[in-house]
Amino acid sequence: EVQLLESGGGLVQPGGSLRLSCAASGFTFSSYAMSWVRQAPGKGLEWVSSIGDSGTSTYYADSVKGRFTISRDTFKNTLYLQMNSLRADDTALYYCAKVGRSYGDYFYFDCWGQGTPVTVSS
Amino acid sequence: EIVLTQSPATLSLSPGERATLSCRASQSVSRYLVWYQQKPGQAPRLLIYDTSNRATGIPARFSGSGSGTDFTLTISSLEPEDFAVYYCQHRSSWPLTFGGGTKVEIK
Repeated sequence: EVQLLESGGGLVQPGGSLRLSCAASGFTFSSYAMSWVRQAPGKGLEWVSSIGDSGTSTYYADSVKGRFTISRDTFKNTLYLQMNSLRADDTALYYCAKVGRSYGDYFYFDCWGQGTPVTVSS
Repeated sequence: EIVLTQSPATLSLSPGERATLSCRASQSVSRYLVWYQQKPGQAPRLLIYDTSNRATGIPARFSGSGSGTDFTLTISSLEPEDFAVYYCQHRSSWPLTFGGGTKVEIK
């Protein structure tokens, strides 16, 4: 069974940093691109960032470019999101998501974690 | 950036009725349009990918159609568990974007 378990969220002051993790199991992690998607309280879904299966290709929403960094550790089967210079509008539930097909740019998401909450507030 | 506009924002229907949800793109996304369902307190669930392909385990009452800029998700006969929020997403180009969602509520 595919499982994605996010961690690392919490309360942080504006300008602060957090690193989110997503532990993956039940599939060949190195074969699939991965992504982060967020959802602000009471709002819709917003794509944040994606990384290719090899880790060499990364993509970011304009709203986080230059502040967030996505990465992956194949040995640990873990996806990361380093978030710096956090702002109040980054407050959201952050989901880790697996793409639907291996070895390619099939950026639709067939498995999601339960999310980790991030609150940016003083 | 491709903007996805979903309509209506809210759809009030009774169980057994047909639901028709629309997603319109600001420019062509070819057939790279995806639909998700989200229930309160839950993560999104993949329903349809690339316009018309049902994801694993999705009942046949869910179907998708369209191409270019206009897409439709149809639920042929609403079951009680289908009342939820539905989002479309394109994977045509970067950045990926989602529509604002359509809430299907019980009338």
